[in-house]
Amino acid sequence: QVHLVESGGGVVQPGRSLRLSCAASGFTFSSRTMHWARQAPGKGLEWLTFISNDGTNHYYADPVRGRFTISRDNSKNTLYLQMSSLRAEDTAVYYCARSELSGPDYWGQGTLVTVSS
Amino acid sequence: DIVMTQSPLSLPVTPGEAASISCRSSQSLLHSNGYNYVDWHLQKPGQSPQLLIYLGSNRAPGVPDRFSGSGSGTDFTLKISRVEAEDVGVYYCMQTLQTYTFGQGTKLEIK
Repeated sequence: QVHLVESGGGVVQPGRSLRLSCAASGFTFSSRTMHWARQAPGKGLEWLTFISNDGTNHYYADPVRGRFTISRDNSKNTLYLQMSSLRAEDTAVYYCARSELSGPDYWGQGTLVTVSS
Repeated sequence: DIVMTQSPLSLPVTPGEAASISCRSSQSLLHSNGYNYVDWHLQKPGQSPQLLIYLGSNRAPGVPDRFSGSGSGTDFTLKISRVEAEDVGVYYCMQTLQTYTFGQGTKLEIK
């Protein structure tokens, strides 16, 4: 059974950094493109970034390009999101997801990041 | 960037009735391979999203056959043939042709 578990969220001050993790199980992690998306309180879903199965390709949405970095460790079945220069508008639930044929086909339960002084 | 526009944004439905959600893209999502690169997701209250339809018209595993996706190019539709109480939530279309973009979401509620 596919399982994606995000962790690392919490309260962080503006301008600081935070690293999220996503532990994967129940499928061959090294074969799947992986994504991060977020949802601000009361708002819709916003796709952020993806990384190819071998980690060689990635792409970022404009709001996070240059501040966030996606990476993966296939030996640990874990996806990461390094977030720096955090802003109040980065406050959201962050979801990891996997994909195969099209976009995300299975989502984690999310982890809340609150950027506040 | 490709913009996805959904309508309506709010959809009250009586159980047992049909429902339809429209999604329009700012550019064609039809690939040369014949597939339309649009997916549909449902986010039930308090839950993470779940995939309903991928590549325009393919139901994800475990999705009831009352859900169907159609359309091509820039105009797409998600139809629920007979709405049930468990279908409440926010429905999102998502283009997957040029990176990824969500629509604004359509909130389905039971009358």
